[in-house]
Amino acid sequence: AQSVTQPDIHITVSEGASLELRCNYSYGATPYLFWYVQSPGQGLQLLLKYFSGDTLVQGIKGFEAEFKRSQSSFNLRKPSVHWSDAAEYFCAVSKGTGGGNKLTFGTGTQLKVEL
Amino acid sequence: EAGVTQFPSHSVIEKGQTVTLRCDPISGHDNLYWYRRVMGKEIKFLLHFVKESKQDESGMPNNRFLAERTGGTYSTLKVQPAELEDSGVYFCASSLQGWDGYTFGSGTRLTVV
Repeated sequence: AQSVTQPDIHITVSEGASLELRCNYSYGATPYLFWYVQSPGQGLQLLLKYFSGDTLVQGIKGFEAEFKRSQSSFNLRKPSVHWSDAAEYFCAVSKGTGGGNKLTFGTGTQLKVEL
Repeated sequence: EAGVTQFPSHSVIEKGQTVTLRCDPISGHDNLYWYRRVMGKEIKFLLHFVKESKQDESGMPNNRFLAERTGGTYSTLKVQPAELEDSGVYFCASSLQGWDGYTFGSGTRLTVV
């Protein structure tokens, strides 16, 4: 069965600092990979996704993620964090249409931004 | 376009009572999914509808949970009778045919006391 690990439950960074949120997955083939963000009182918003091709994926709000097959990782990065980025971030994996597009999520990383 | 709408946004019920959660997907989205996040745990899949048919209900915890999608439009998730461990945030999501990621609703926070 596929699984997703987000090793950092909480992360605090200063505004303007760089950010990297870690995500490791377990899956036999190349999965479909996603990062979602949930701001307080909001639903889950898709930041970016990787299906195939270029392993560096650009998303919304200045985020990017890099798929590294050898490390089974899909880490999320942002060069300069803004106070509005404070939210909870979820990494997710899917088998794609063959698996009914069902998502398996990590436990989430809560990001706090210090001004 | 309107997003995925869920209501109520919050519900507090007593153990043993019944609660019905509703999800209105984006118009034209054949795929509808329910997920749940229990406090401190990961978001877990409950089930998947394609139009009015249940495609995959492997994540439904037990027979106290009943999901329906009448006419392939909105969906309801009924919990009867509710137990304390049912507390959590229930998310609904929808997508078009094919696969380009979901659109999630803002969730219903259910508290069973």
